[in-house]
Amino acid sequence: DAGVTQSPTHLIKTRGQHVTLRCSPISGHKSVSWYQQVLGQGPQFIFQYYEKEERGRGNFPDRFSARQFPNYSSELNVNALLLGDSALYLCASSFGTLAGNTIYFGEGSWLTVV
Amino acid sequence: EDQVTQSPEALRLQEGESSSLNCSYTVSGLRGLFWYRQDPGKGPEFLFTLYSAGEEKEKERLKATLTKKESFLHITAPKPEDSATYLCAVQASGSSNTGKLIFGQGTTLQVKP
Repeated sequence: DAGVTQSPTHLIKTRGQHVTLRCSPISGHKSVSWYQQVLGQGPQFIFQYYEKEERGRGNFPDRFSARQFPNYSSELNVNALLLGDSALYLCASSFGTLAGNTIYFGEGSWLTVV
Repeated sequence: EDQVTQSPEALRLQEGESSSLNCSYTVSGLRGLFWYRQDPGKGPEFLFTLYSAGEEKEKERLKATLTKKESFLHITAPKPEDSATYLCAVQASGSSNTGKLIFGQGTTLQVKP
């Protein structure tokens, strides 16, 4: 079975541009979360979606937005890119949001802002 | 504020030299504590979830344990292929119905042959 898949794997953007990152969860999983991981640090929570509704939002500016589609795939959008947005963006999926649900991560999308 | 601290930040072992990684946490209520392995340039790979103090889980050379304040990841007779960054994360009951994970900064393990 396919795991969590993310695209693109690597991309380079210029300051001020916009980026869209995509994620397909494990088949049967209804919850998708997004994390940002800066080099040398642990991942930081950005958003969680469950059944197409936002269930949680981390401490990130409004330039960050996301949505979940009827097939449970998800997009993360970042507007007005800053140099500090350069990071590995991770998507995680789980069946639900309750304790006992294992959370699996994709390989991530490496974003470099120049 | 919910917080996770891992120690040491980096650990170098000789092949076969057993050791432990520490994860200390402060949360309003623990729903679960997760351990992940992350290789350079890759996403985190799930290892274990622990839910209550006293719980233990094992996988090959790895054993995870949990107390009310911390978790340990014991590595027995490590091999060079165990070299990676090990991440600890907690899911807090104060997060309502979200699955938000709060991560530590990780412990980078290097095992020399």
